Amino acid sequence: GESVGLHLPTLSVQEGDNSIINCAYSNSASDYFIWYKQESGKGPQFIIDIRSNMDKRQGQRVTVLLNKTVKHLSLQIAATQPGDSAVYFCAEMHGGGADGLTFGKGTHLIIQP
Amino acid sequence: EPEVTQTPSHQVTQMGQEVILRCVPISNHLYFYWYRQILGQKVEFLVSFYNNEISEKSEIFDDQFSVERPDGSNFTLKIRSTKLEDSAMYFCASSEYRAGTEAFFGQGTRLTVV
Repeated sequence: GESVGLHLPTLSVQEGDNSIINCAYSNSASDYFIWYKQESGKGPQFIIDIRSNMDKRQGQRVTVLLNKTVKHLSLQIAATQPGDSAVYFCAEMHGGGADGLTFGKGTHLIIQP
Repeated sequence: EPEVTQTPSHQVTQMGQEVILRCVPISNHLYFYWYRQILGQKVEFLVSFYNNEISEKSEIFDDQFSVERPDGSNFTLKIRSTKLEDSAMYFCASSEYRAGTEAFFGQGTRLTVV
C-alpha cells in the first residue's frame, strides 16, 4: 500500500556535525511535504515544508530536499545542537482534496556531546 | 506565540466509558484536525473539520468517534465506548488554510483505557 516511511529508526551524530534524515514516500500524488520534530512528551513541532514544485528549501540551519524522481525527501540539520535531539517525522499530503497528513514512522536523532 | 492547547493532559478511563478530549485551536485558524499516536508508533490522521462539518476522516474514525465545535473556541473529540486499543496520545491540530499549509499541533492528551 501507499505509505511514507523512514529508512533509519535511530541516527546518532556528534554535536556540531551535520545530520541528514531520510524519508521515502510512495504516493506519486503527494504534493506537499513537511518535517516535524517531536520531543518526548510533546506534540509534533513544524520544522520546514516543501511543495512538489520545488526541489529544495532552506530554513534556519535546516534544509529540505525533494527528489520526485525517486520519491525521496531528506532533512539536513547543520551544526547540530543538543536541543536537536528528538524524533523527526516526515509527513506528506496528497492532492485531490485530502486534508490529513500521512506520517512516517520517525527517526530518533541523538546528538552526542 | 499562539498555540493549540489541549485538556486534559492525561485521561484514564474504564473500558466502555465515554471520554471527551478538548482542544482550543489557534484563534484565527479555520481548519481543525485530530490525530492519534499509539505508543512507539507513528502519528495517524483521524479527522479534519471545517465550517462545522467533517471534511475528511480516516478508516480509524469509526462510529465510536465524533467531533464537535460546541462554541467559537473549543474543538472536541468524543469516544463513545472506549476500548483498550483506544489508548494513545491524541493530538489536536489547526491550520489557517486548507490542506497544504502548516498545521500546528497541541501537546496532546494521553488517553489510557483500563
